[in-house]
Amino acid sequence: GDSVTQMEGPVTLSEEAFLTINCTYTATGYPSLFWYVQYPGEGLQLLLKATKADDKGSNKGFEATYRKETTSFHLEKGSVQVSDSAVYFCALSGGSGGYQKVTFGIGTKLQVIP
Amino acid sequence: DTAVSQTPKYLVTQMGNDKSIKCEQNLGHDTMYWYKQDSKKFLKIMFSYNNKELIINETVPNRFSPKSPDKAHLNLHINSLELGDSAVYFCASSQVWQTNTGELFFGEGSRLTVL
Repeated sequence: GDSVTQMEGPVTLSEEAFLTINCTYTATGYPSLFWYVQYPGEGLQLLLKATKADDKGSNKGFEATYRKETTSFHLEKGSVQVSDSAVYFCALSGGSGGYQKVTFGIGTKLQVIP
Repeated sequence: DTAVSQTPKYLVTQMGNDKSIKCEQNLGHDTMYWYKQDSKKFLKIMFSYNNKELIINETVPNRFSPKSPDKAHLNLHINSLELGDSAVYFCASSQVWQTNTGELFFGEGSRLTVL
């Protein structure tokens, strides 16, 4: 079946540091890939997405590129802020589970300190 | 104006009890979901309904029974609660039958604690 593997946290960074959260996936076919963010006490929100190989998703200074050859979708941001502290989930749909099922990774907690 | 709302937000109960969590979405979406998030933040799909019809039913104990009275509502009833049922339960909805855009809209979650 489909699966998403992402680095376990927590990740602690100082404000303005560079962020990378690794994500790799296993799926048949041509899945769509996503990053969701969960702020404390809230539900998940879609942060960015990419629906085909070599697409780059971007939003709020975050970026991720769909790399089919390495089955990866790493999340990056050049300069993090305290307000970016949250849990980040990598996810996919459109693999063997079909597009109606979104499969999530375990989530990576990011803590940004001033 | 809340898009996906769940009630209650917090639920503390004893083992063996029966409880329900309600979910409503005002986005006009056709598909609704229940996800379970455990203490390690792992998020796993439980059920999905499209237009009141069950389309995804993962390996969930039959103590869990979803009910969709109309496409804007998806409730979750849990019988004979066990300690392992303690988790945060998220309701979500999506606009189209096939979520190829992947955009799920989540509620704020219902934290269930079983003592």
